[in-house]
Parts: sequence; structure tokens; C-alpha cells
Amino acid sequence: AQSVSQHNHHVILSEAASLELGCNYSYGGTVNLFWYVQYPGQHLQLLLKYFSGDPLVKGIKGFEAEFIKSKFSFNLRKPSVQWSDTAEYFCAVTPGFGNEKLTFGTGTRLTIIP
Amino acid sequence: DTGVSQDPRHKITKRGQNVTFRCDPISEHNRLYWYRQTLGQGPEFLTYFQNEAQLEKSRLLSDRFSAERPKGSFSTLEIQRTEQGDSAMYLCASSVIPGTDYTGELFFGEGSRLTVL
Repeated sequence: AQSVSQHNHHVILSEAASLELGCNYSYGGTVNLFWYVQYPGQHLQLLLKYFSGDPLVKGIKGFEAEFIKSKFSFNLRKPSVQWSDTAEYFCAVTPGFGNEKLTFGTGTRLTIIP
Repeated sequence: DTGVSQDPRHKITKRGQNVTFRCDPISEHNRLYWYRQTLGQGPEFLTYFQNEAQLEKSRLLSDRFSAERPKGSFSTLEIQRTEQGDSAMYLCASSVIPGTDYTGELFFGEGSRLTVL
């Protein structure tokens, strides 16, 4: 069975700082990788995903993530954060195409200080 | 709003009572998922349906839990004889099956929060 680790539980940054949130997964086969975001009081929504191809994927709101297969990692980055990025961020994995049974990490709470 | 809707948003009950949650997915979505999220954890998979067929159930889904999707549209999740450990946010999500419009994205509702006293 697959598992996902997010080592940063709570990250506090000032506006305009750069962001990198770590995500490592454990699974021996082909995986699809996702980052979901939950803004305060809202539902979970997709930020970006990786299925295949270019390991650097771009998502909404200036976020990007890089899949490094050798490190089993899918870290989320943003060069300059805004106060509106305050949210909880979840990394998730599914085993192969057409399977949306997501295994989530424990999440990283991001607080941006104006 | 044509997203996934869940009802009720918050339910407080006493231990031993039965509760039922309802999920209305996005209308053209064939697949419907239930997840449970406890404080400080990510969502955990409970079960999913493709149309009216329940295709998979997690070991987390004890025999006190039952989920249905009778006509392939809305779904219900019932918890019988609730326990304090059942307190959690119950999330519903929907998606399309792989095809020309497939994106692999799950569309989540805002959840139903259960508090068992």
C-alpha cells in the first residue's frame, strides 16, 4: 500500500517569501501525484497534478511542483507567496491511471504574515 | 452552485445514536467517494461507487457504517450506534470515469462534521 509523508506540519512565512513544501511517497509502481489545497472555510480543491511527461508541473495561482522519481518526492514551490495563500496543503498519491483512490499526507498548514 | 453538496454540515449526537449523511455529487459524475478526516490528519478513504455499484470499501469502514447510492446519483453514509471515535469530518467527492474528459481530479464537498458526545 502507498503512503505519503509531509514533514512540515506548520509553516509561517512573510509575504513575498519563497515557499517549498516537502512531500515524499512510498510506492513501488507507477503513481499519479497531486497537491490539493484547502482555504479557510472552503472545500479541498486541486492545485496541480502529475501523471506523466515533464516532471515539472505548473498549477493554479503560480504554484509548481517537481516530481523526482529517484527521491520519491513531489515538492510544492512558489517563488513569492501572498497573504491569500494561507491555507492547508495536502499531497496525495494514487496508484496508476484511472484510479482516483487518493492516499493523502497529513497536510501542511501555511500561514502567511502580511 | 453546481459543485458537490453535503448535508448536514454539522451534526452533534449522543453516543449510541444513528446518524446519516447525504452527498449530492456533480450531476454528470459517475464516481462518488467518501473520505473521513480527523483533526491533524489528511482525509482517509472509506469507500467509493461507480454509478450505483459500491466497488471498494476500506477496512476503516466497520460494520456499523453503511453507504448506498441507490440510483447512481446521491449517496448516503449511515453510522449506527455512534462512538466518540467516530467524531470526524466526513467528506464526499465525485469524479468522471476515464475517458476523453478525464482529468483525474476529485471534486470535494465541504464536508459533514460529526461530533459524538
